[in-house]
Amino acid sequence: GAVVSQHPSRVICKSGTSVKIECRSLDFQATTMFWYRQFPKKSLMLMATSNEGSKATYEQGVEKDKFLINHASLTLSTLTVTSAHPEDSSFYICSATHLSGGNGYTFGSGTRLTVV
Amino acid sequence: QKEVEQNSGPLSVPEGAIASLNCTYSDRVSQSFFWYRQYSGKSPELIMSIYSNGDKEDGRFTAQLNKASQYVSLLIRDSQPSDSATYLCAVNKGDYKLSFGAGTTVTVRA
Repeated sequence: GAVVSQHPSRVICKSGTSVKIECRSLDFQATTMFWYRQFPKKSLMLMATSNEGSKATYEQGVEKDKFLINHASLTLSTLTVTSAHPEDSSFYICSATHLSGGNGYTFGSGTRLTVV
Repeated sequence: QKEVEQNSGPLSVPEGAIASLNCTYSDRVSQSFFWYRQYSGKSPELIMSIYSNGDKEDGRFTAQLNKASQYVSLLIRDSQPSDSATYLCAVNKGDYKLSFGAGTTVTVRA
């Protein structure tokens, strides 16, 4: 149980375009989801906390107008990278909380974004 | 001071040996602790979680927690080449946010 599906796994886009990444909890309801980004050989950096039915909470230094987060249902959160630039190229990973077995965190498979 | 610090790597061990990974955290209110394994290009997968002082064993993995010293470790016994990966220590302070260490890369030599 506790599977999180993330799509797409890889995406290449042109500078100036927008890219949407989906994160779905397949077998549980996730009131809270988290979005991370990871640069090569670096650790995960929390970008924002996505709350179902309310506005996302962004970490310091993360532009909310640049990284739009929508959590419209208990099983789906989306991250849209708007007006993408090459420096937005990164590995984006979502995770969702659940309470089964006391381990509250399951990660999606990640999205490798390359902006050209 | 970083919230979560891990011993610098990379760590190279021969097959069959014990790999020892260390992690310290700065916030005493931290409540739950996790070790994740991340293969190159993949997302992290949970190896162990630990919530109370002492040892917790799961197969070849043993997590140790000492809240007084703000220290958590992971031992990998009988290391296999498939254990070669980056290991991330993560700490939760009770608000469901995870703070990650920088990771320690382990290479198991056949």
